[in-house]
This record gives sequence, C-alpha cells and structure tokens, in this order.
Amino acid sequence: QEQLVESGGGLVKPGGSLRLACAASGFKFIDYNINWIRQAPGKGLEWLSYISPSGGAIFYADSVKGRFTISRDNSKNTVYLQMNSLRAEDTAVYYCARELRPYFEILTGFYVWGQGARVTVSS
Amino acid sequence: EIVLTQSPGTLSLSPGERATFSCRASQFVSSNYLAWYQQKPGQAPRLLIYGASSRATGIPDRFSGSGSGTAFTLTISRLEPEDFAVYYCQQYGSSPRTFGQGTKVEIK
Repeated sequence: QEQLVESGGGLVKPGGSLRLACAASGFKFIDYNINWIRQAPGKGLEWLSYISPSGGAIFYADSVKGRFTISRDNSKNTVYLQMNSLRAEDTAVYYCARELRPYFEILTGFYVWGQGARVTVSS
Repeated sequence: EIVLTQSPGTLSLSPGERATFSCRASQFVSSNYLAWYQQKPGQAPRLLIYGASSRATGIPDRFSGSGSGTAFTLTISRLEPEDFAVYYCQQYGSSPRTFGQGTKVEIK
C-alpha cells in the first residue's frame, strides 16, 4: 500500500523551530517528487515546497522562503521540512504529498497524501 | 505567481443534480497542468482530475474536467451523497503550485 506518514508536529512558541518528517512506504521513493502543503484552520490549501527525487530541484512559496527548508534522505525514504522563525500564521495542518506518476512520466496532481501533522504556533 | 479564482464559493444542490465548478487562472496554465481535488472534513484532499481532463485512478466517471489556457471546469454529472464536500483546483505547471480558494458543495 502506497503511504506517506507525517510526524514531528506540535506546539511551538513564536520564533521557534520544528522539523516535520514525511516517511514513505509501498512505492519506489526515489522515483517521485514530494511536496509539502498546509491548511490553516478553516482555510484552503496552500502549497509550500517541492523537492525532486535527487534533491537537485527545490522550490518554495514566497510565504516560507528563507524560513523553511525542504530536504530528503532517499536511504530512509523520508522527506523533511525544517521550519524556523515560526509565526502564528504558520499554524496549520501540514501535509506531504506525491504525484500520481513518477518524475520521468507526465506531471500530475498530488495523488498520495499523508494524514497531516498539526503545527500550532502560540505563546 | 498564477492566481486561481474559483466560482461559485458555495453550491447548494440536491442529490442527483449536476454540479459545475469554474476555475479561472490569472495567466496561461502551461500544458494544461490543472488538477481538481475533493476534500471532506478532517480528511486529506483526494485527487480527482489531472491534466485538466484525465481522471485519477479509481475516480468514478461522473466526474469530468475540461478547459484549457486560463479557463477550466469540473463537472459532476449526478451528485451522489458522498460528493458533498469542498473542491479545489490547482495548477502545477509553474512554481508556486497554487490552489484556488475552493468551492463548497452543500446539500440543498
């Protein structure tokens, strides 16, 4: 079964840091781009970041550029999101997701999603 | 950045009715890299359509997508009870891979 599982969420004070992990199983991890998306309470979806299979291509949304860092460890089938200088507006459920097809086929939307990791930024 | 504007904000329909959602992009969406998702409360989104018109694996054929360039449409031919949810469009042809603000389908 193709699966992504996020971990590392929690309560953090403004200005603090947190590292989320996204562990993959059931598919060939090195063949897929991975993305992070978040959803603030009662709000819509916000794409945050993308990493290619090799880690050679990385993109960020402007809202997190310079504060968040995406990385991956293909030996552990895991993608990370290091979040620094956290603000109240970063409070959200954070999802990792991968596309329907591997990177060498056509681009598609996000087919496999994790269950989400809740991050609360509050003093 | 490509801004996606979805309309209407809310659709009030009855089971069996046809639902039509609009997604307009502020710029051309390259290669029709436009996806539609369904999200129910407390759940992760589910991919319905990619490439503007291709159904994802396991998606019933009552869901269809159309459009190109800057104007896209999702249609549900006959609403089933499980289709009442929020629907989002997303462009993934350029970074940032933006989402629309969503359309909620509620039971009339």
